[in-house]
Amino acid sequence: GENVEQHPSTLSVQEGDSAVIKCTYSDSASNYFPWYKQELGKRPQLIIDIRSNVGEKKDQRIAVTLNKTAKHFSLHITETQPEDSAVYFCAASIRAAGNKLTFGGGTRVLVKP
Amino acid sequence: GAVVSQHPSWVICKSGTSVKIECRSLDFQATTMFWYRQFPKQSLMLMATSNEGSKATYEQGVEKDKFLINHASLTLSTLTVTSAHPEDSSFYICSAREPQRAYNEQFFGPGTRLTVL
Repeated sequence: GENVEQHPSTLSVQEGDSAVIKCTYSDSASNYFPWYKQELGKRPQLIIDIRSNVGEKKDQRIAVTLNKTAKHFSLHITETQPEDSAVYFCAASIRAAGNKLTFGGGTRVLVKP
Repeated sequence: GAVVSQHPSWVICKSGTSVKIECRSLDFQATTMFWYRQFPKQSLMLMATSNEGSKATYEQGVEKDKFLINHASLTLSTLTVTSAHPEDSSFYICSAREPQRAYNEQFFGPGTRLTVL
């Protein structure tokens, strides 16, 4: 089955700096790659997603890039703010396999004021 | 739109008892719902895929007789943890996919924190 690896597991940045989280996936049939932000005890919130027919997507301070050949995708957060502190998860799914999401291990991001 | 609710939000039970968790899609019909389990400081692990009107599909290593899933309507799936033990204590989260959407986005419920004493 699909395997998603995420790095780093923790990331500490100064407010205003950029944060980058990287994920790799194993199944070349994966065609949907969402990123979630989860605060303690809350549900995962979709912050951005990308489909396999697109290489890059941006939404204000957040961007995601996808390299299908290398089977990796990355989340970029610019001008980080303290409220960006949370755990971030990447995931991958295959439409033909029932749209099941396979999650990465998560990255705990701390933005220091 | 695309709101998913869960009930209860938290539950404490004694070892050996059964607990039922409900997952509802409030403003759309979901033919497929997913159940995840998340232990503290860990990622979400898919337990099973719940299909309306048919048997659930369980992931490898998940005991189907212990985690009973029923998806009796297009807006409701239930997860029953039978004979719960302390090691079943976890955060259980459901998600639902809106079939009309062309891509794979899932909408998550708020989660249920289960504590087994």
